[in-house]
Amino acid sequence: LAKTTQPPSMEAYEGQEVNVSCSHTNIATSEYIYWYRQVPHQGPQFIIQGYKDYVVNEVASLFISADRKLSTLSLPWVSLRDAAVYYCIVTGYGSSGNKLIFGIGTLLSVKP
Amino acid sequence: GPKVLQIPSHQIIDMGQMVTLNCDPVSNHLYFYWYKQILGQQMEFLVNFYNGKVMEKSKLFKDQFSVERPDGSYFTLKIQPTALEDSAVYFCASSFDWGGQDTQYFGPGTRLLVL
Repeated sequence: LAKTTQPPSMEAYEGQEVNVSCSHTNIATSEYIYWYRQVPHQGPQFIIQGYKDYVVNEVASLFISADRKLSTLSLPWVSLRDAAVYYCIVTGYGSSGNKLIFGIGTLLSVKP
Repeated sequence: GPKVLQIPSHQIIDMGQMVTLNCDPVSNHLYFYWYKQILGQQMEFLVNFYNGKVMEKSKLFKDQFSVERPDGSYFTLKIQPTALEDSAVYFCASSFDWGGQDTQYFGPGTRLLVL
């Protein structure tokens, strides 16, 4: 079973900022938070990873609550190419081992 | 980002035949993985592999499945014999480090259809 809870779907217009939330209430101290996305007929693509606080890269930013039970992926200025299923995954030493456990993710639809 | 390649992209075979799926991982990565995704369903972990050994496998990794990486070449998943329920997309991934502290990078998948 996935250890995270995400909204099943979201909609946005091109140019909007999109925030996808993820609840991981049982996250262990050894675990990290990863976000991937997958478009049809492709493999999952790594977006961003974090342990606590705030992480940003050229694609997205990730805010992690102080108790680490909630994280939010922020995508600035979405385009049609950002339409995908977004997965929030927690994993780390001694918990899920060295495998990624995918849930159903969040299906992001982007309208022109 | 780092690229993982998979060959072939598509494979159609008859039930009972053997099939080998090939993965060319990121060059300096040490840990290798196979995942399975049936159309419309969640991605599921099959197996991970390090230093010539299977480290962990799931219940989906049946006795008919095997993995190897001979002499640092392709990381392969072999299914012998195949069954109808093996029809799926198989994704290979690799990472440099272990334990969830390092990113796994995925290939584009091999779409396997067993008739």
